[in-house]
Amino acid sequence: SQKIEQNSEALNIQEGKTATLTCNYTNYSPAYLQWYRQDPGRGPVFLLLIRENEKEKRKERLKVTFDTTLKQSLFHITASQPADSATYLCALGPPSGTYKYIFGTGTRLKVLA
Amino acid sequence: EAGVAQSPRYKIIEKRQSVAFWCNPISGHATLYWYQQILGQGPKLLIQFQNNGVVDDSQLPKDRFSAERLKGVDSTLKIQPAKLEDSAVYLCASRNNRGPQDTQYFGPGTRLTVL
Repeated sequence: SQKIEQNSEALNIQEGKTATLTCNYTNYSPAYLQWYRQDPGRGPVFLLLIRENEKEKRKERLKVTFDTTLKQSLFHITASQPADSATYLCALGPPSGTYKYIFGTGTRLKVLA
Repeated sequence: EAGVAQSPRYKIIEKRQSVAFWCNPISGHATLYWYQQILGQGPKLLIQFQNNGVVDDSQLPKDRFSAERLKGVDSTLKIQPAKLEDSAVYLCASRNNRGPQDTQYFGPGTRLTVL
């Protein structure tokens, strides 16, 4: 069955450092991958989308890579700030165009001042 | 542009009782999703609508859960009867359908506690 794994343990880093979160998947061939941010008591908020034929995508301090051979995506936040503390979710989108997303379990990031 | 609206925000019920959640998507968004998010887990898709038709409900426990989207706008999700394991946040999301670059917009969710 399809499986998406994200770091189950919380990630604590010092302010100003680069945070790197991992999303691994098996038994799936997504056409694209998305990253979302979720704050406590709120719904997820879209951050970035990367397609299967793209290696890297950037938006301000965020960078996403997508390796379809390794079946892995890395999500980087550079110059991290305490305001970046949240849970980050990856979601895979199918090639069929049904737009049925499968979400990972999420990684909780805490940036320490 | 108004976001996805959900109500109620919180609900506490006894097991075997019934409950209903309401969602109003972003205007013009043809696709509507209901997700269940158990504490510490990612959202799990329950049902996906395209206008007022069901696209996918393969993970909806149909013996107790039902959902409808009359007139292709608002949607309701019902649980009858509720079980303890239904305690979760129920998220509604909507999406435009111009292409893969279109993302989902989520509502704030309804936190359900079943005692």
